[in-house]
Amino acid sequence: GENVGLHLPTLSVQEGDNSIINCAYSNSASDYFIWYKQESGKGPQFIIDIRSNMDKRQGQRVTVLLNKTVKHLSLQIAATQPGDSAVYFCAEIDVLSTGANNLFFGTGTRLTVIP
Amino acid sequence: DAGVTQSPTHLIKTRGQQVTLRCSPKSGHDTVSWYQQALGQGPQFIFQYYEEEERQRGNFPDRFSGHQFPNYSSELNVNALLLGDSALYLCASSLGTGGEQFFGPGTRLTVL
Repeated sequence: GENVGLHLPTLSVQEGDNSIINCAYSNSASDYFIWYKQESGKGPQFIIDIRSNMDKRQGQRVTVLLNKTVKHLSLQIAATQPGDSAVYFCAEIDVLSTGANNLFFGTGTRLTVIP
Repeated sequence: DAGVTQSPTHLIKTRGQQVTLRCSPKSGHDTVSWYQQALGQGPQFIFQYYEEEERQRGNFPDRFSGHQFPNYSSELNVNALLLGDSALYLCASSLGTGGEQFFGPGTRLTVL
């Protein structure tokens, strides 16, 4: 679970457009995935999660898609706003094997929203 | 309801020194995990404390040690500081070792 990575380190979008942030993971035993948002000077903030027995989960303006076949995770943000500008991390947990909620993070994608 | 708090906010040390960072968990939480976040990187798991014992540990040397107190607060100690220890140290608390983790704002450690 230590090799969670991201395809793009930076992403710039126009305000109002949709954003898609991608993430690849390597531990097929991971059973729980979380997207975090981290603003400058703050700790990571939970956005949305998904369990490995699901392929899609929707929240308020956000959707997470999980493709276990190719070990790929994505975060979609609808109608992106300036307040969405931050670094986004995906993280995975292998609860069943470890019995713990240790998070394994990727490097992160910096999302910049252009007004 | 106070969230996770950490102290100090910033800290500057020199190589070879020792440092202690502190964390108070979110109200109602009994488990504390520590993460190291180097600049431009994702957080890396250091260890987790539950019932005053280290339960899980990541790939960090013995220079990194911790403690959890009866009130669930925790300390992270780093001995013989190296330049590479410069990072943001994050504390996360949860209810139990499998619960959702809530992060504090972190302590920025700079080693000169």
